[in-house]
Amino acid sequence: GAGVSQSPSNKVTEKGKDVELRCDPISGHTALYWYRQSLGQGLEFLIYFQGNSAPDKSGLPSDRFSAERTGGSVSTLTIQRTQQEDSAVYLCASSLGGRSTGELFFGEGSRLTVL
Amino acid sequence: GEDVEQSLFLSVREGDSSVINCTYTDSSSTYLYWYKQEPGAGLQLLTYIFSNMDMKQDQRLTVLLNKKDKHLSLRIADTQTGDSAIYFCAESTGNTGGFKTIFGAGTRLFVKA
Repeated sequence: GAGVSQSPSNKVTEKGKDVELRCDPISGHTALYWYRQSLGQGLEFLIYFQGNSAPDKSGLPSDRFSAERTGGSVSTLTIQRTQQEDSAVYLCASSLGGRSTGELFFGEGSRLTVL
Repeated sequence: GEDVEQSLFLSVREGDSSVINCTYTDSSSTYLYWYKQEPGAGLQLLTYIFSNMDMKQDQRLTVLLNKKDKHLSLRIADTQTGDSAIYFCAESTGNTGGFKTIFGAGTRLFVKA
C-alpha cells in the first residue's frame, strides 16, 4: 500500500477483554515497530521487528502484551485481559532497514479505550 | 538502557526563533532525528543528522549535535503559527541490519500570533 495502515482506528472495550490491533506496513519495509502514545507519556517503545531476526521485545510493559509479524509483513499486537491503564493510541511504524537513514513511516494509530 | 529526554513545552512569538533541546544517553547512536506531530495527524520526519556530523541546516531548520554532551537541538528560524506542533527527538542505534529507534516525550511548541 501507499502508507502504513492500521486497524481498527478506534476500539472501545471492557476491562478484562482481549484486543488485537493490526498493522500493515509499507511494502518492502523490513523493519516494523509498535509504540504507545499516552497523554503526558510521550512515545513509548514497545517492540521492534527486523527481517527474520528475533524481535526486540524489551519495551513490552507486561506479559499481557504480545506481538507477532507473519511472513515478514503484517503485524498484530495483542493485549490480553485489558486494563484501564492500557488506554492509549497504539502507533505502528515501518522502515526500510538496511542501508537507510532509519526514517520511520507511521500509521494513523489505533486509539484504544478500556472502560 | 536508551533514554531520550526533552522539555515538554515551549512558547514563542511569531517571527521569533524557537530552540528545542534534547539529551540522550546512548553513545552508540547512529542517527538522531526530529519528528513533527501536528494536531490530529501522525508523526512525520522533519529532519535527521548522522552521528558523525555536528550541524545540519535545512531552510529554516538548524540541527546542532554535541556528541560529547549527548545533546541535540532544533532551531526553527522565523517561527510561524503553522509550526505549532509536538516535536519529538529520537535516536536510533543499529547498522545495516536495521535500527531500533527510541523517542523522547515530545516538546509541545506554542506559537503566539
